[in-house]
Amino acid sequence: KAGVTQTPRYLIKTRGQQVTLSCSPISGHRSVSWYQQTPGQGLQFLFEYFSETQRNKGNFPGRFSGRQFSNSRSEMNVSTLELGDSALYLCASSLGGQQETQYFGPGTRLLVL
Amino acid sequence: QKEVEQNSGPLSVPEGAIASLNCTYSDRGSQSFFWYRQYSGKSPELIMFIYSNGDKEDGRFTAQLNKASQYVSLLIRDSQPSDSATYLCAVTRAGNMLTFGGGTRLMVKP
Repeated sequence: KAGVTQTPRYLIKTRGQQVTLSCSPISGHRSVSWYQQTPGQGLQFLFEYFSETQRNKGNFPGRFSGRQFSNSRSEMNVSTLELGDSALYLCASSLGGQQETQYFGPGTRLLVL
Repeated sequence: QKEVEQNSGPLSVPEGAIASLNCTYSDRGSQSFFWYRQYSGKSPELIMFIYSNGDKEDGRFTAQLNKASQYVSLLIRDSQPSDSATYLCAVTRAGNMLTFGGGTRLMVKP
């Protein structure tokens, strides 16, 4: 079974721009969660989508948003990029129940200049 | 106080020894506990999960959970140089929101 895939793998943007990242979950998985990893803050939860609805949300500003499509693929968008948004963005998928094991994709490394 | 605490390390053990990694959490409502391994430049990889008090073994790995003490540990037996990585402890209270510790860097010396 193919794992979680994320595109693009690397991205360079400038301050003020916006960016869209994509995630395809493991086949059969209906929940997609997004995380941000930085050296200073570690791994932090952004949000979770299930059945095209945001089910949980972390403590990030409204510039961070996401959506999920009917095939469970998910996108996250960051608008008005700031230097501090430079990070590894990780997507994780799970079957869809509560407190299930999550499997991470390879991540998208975003650099904001 | 952070919700999930881990010693950042590095924890250095000789090849073949037992590596013991520890994690404490502050939310008594936490219900599920996970250990992930992350190699430098890579994404986290699930090693084990545990839901109930006690020990859970999988190959060279044993996870231990003590909810009364709010403590989770991971033992790695017969440590190999390939086990050198950062080990992340994560907990969930409800739903699928993982709260991670800062990770412990493990170095296994040949």
